[in-house]
Amino acid sequence: EIVLTQSPATLSLSPGERATLSCRASQSVSTYLAWYQQKPGQTPRLLIYDASNRATGIPARFSGSGSGTDFTLTISSLEPEDFAVYYCQQRYNWWTFGQGTKVEIK
Amino acid sequence: EVQLLESGGGLVQPGGSLRLSCAASGFTFNSYGMNWVRQAPGKGLEWVSAINGSGVNTYYADSVKGRFTISRDNSKDMLYLQMNSLRAEDTAIYYCAKESAFRGPFDCWGQGALVTVSS
Repeated sequence: EIVLTQSPATLSLSPGERATLSCRASQSVSTYLAWYQQKPGQTPRLLIYDASNRATGIPARFSGSGSGTDFTLTISSLEPEDFAVYYCQQRYNWWTFGQGTKVEIK
Repeated sequence: EVQLLESGGGLVQPGGSLRLSCAASGFTFNSYGMNWVRQAPGKGLEWVSAINGSGVNTYYADSVKGRFTISRDNSKDMLYLQMNSLRAEDTAIYYCAKESAFRGPFDCWGQGALVTVSS
């Protein structure tokens, strides 16, 4: 099983700041990595697929990068609606999720 | 509009069984793989099971292998998860999720069905 480790567990930032979230895989997943956003009481929403492609309707402030074992989700300037939990997911070998990073208001 | 609607959740005793259903609409159901993902209270997401578009191939997480069975009825646009020998650690919200493409990420999720395993 491929294990995904996200860091940090919690990110405390203010609106307008830049957020950088990390996801590290226990073995290479090529670029088969996605990012999801989940707000309290809501279902997860696909943000980024195949490491760097924005899903339909996702604002340009969200970007993804990386390949192999190290990946990054960047939110260039946090909007109030961006404070949420973010999960990475690999699809190289079935599917697994990271444990999540909570982006909270500082 | 693509929609997924789960049903069948509830309270069940340890060792009991439950069947979840997911009604799909707004897309050509038999063209897409479907999955079940669960989320324990206050915890992260855990992939549970997948089935391909034809229903021939199924896949399971080790934590549920041998206890859970995924199936689909393409004539009714329905996805199912039969859960047997339930344990307290199976308590979670269960989401059905549609793959965006073959073995792809999940681009549509249902609202979830709560399963509580407790005596």
